[in-house]
Amino acid sequence: DAKTTQPPSMDCAEGRAANLPCNHSTISGNEYVYWYRQIHSQGPQYIIHGLKNNETNEMASLIITEDRKSSTLILPHATLRDTAVYYCIVRVGGAGSYQLTFGKGTKLSVIP
Amino acid sequence: DAGVIQSPRHEVTEMGQEVTLRCKPISGHNSLFWYRQTMMRGLELLIYFNNNVPIDDSGMPEDRFSAKMPNASFSTLKIQPSEPRDSAVYFCASSLQGNAGELFFGEGSRLTVL
Repeated sequence: DAKTTQPPSMDCAEGRAANLPCNHSTISGNEYVYWYRQIHSQGPQYIIHGLKNNETNEMASLIITEDRKSSTLILPHATLRDTAVYYCIVRVGGAGSYQLTFGKGTKLSVIP
Repeated sequence: DAGVIQSPRHEVTEMGQEVTLRCKPISGHNSLFWYRQTMMRGLELLIYFNNNVPIDDSGMPEDRFSAKMPNASFSTLKIQPSEPRDSAVYFCASSLQGNAGELFFGEGSRLTVL
């Protein structure tokens, strides 16, 4: 699976949009981009995933560049409860390949 | 709906003792994963099962670790004998094969080996 690069930490003011970048310059055509987050002392939580189109759900939006070498997770109105470590993962899709390899992620601190 | 249930939530034991961690996946899910998390190494995949069959155990650190999934609703991770370096939070996760990789994690079992 392709390697990802994320900034180790970011701050965001409460109520503002949090934009978390991820570089995955060696991504292959059949690899998806996944985002998970881990709030302190809890298990990781799935946020969103995509292949090449932008995606949006109730939690966040995922913007993938046209060349697919990078992506941005957007939390439109960050709250204190969004303080967590955010993991960007790329992984081959399809049956029989479901393990996820977590890197160090980005520690997002939402500041009042 | 009940999520992934792990027990015990906390375990403190002495070096050399056997430790058994338990996991009940979400009903209907047919893939199960065991991860370990430490400050030094982050989240590491230990082993995963599809339809109760171990698929990849390359992450299991050594022979002291073993995992079983006797049926679709139960899995165990056993460490025998335990060592202080095994101290970590162990997470179990489950998913539905074909759902494009959305894993549901339990709350974890925090193991301390003295």
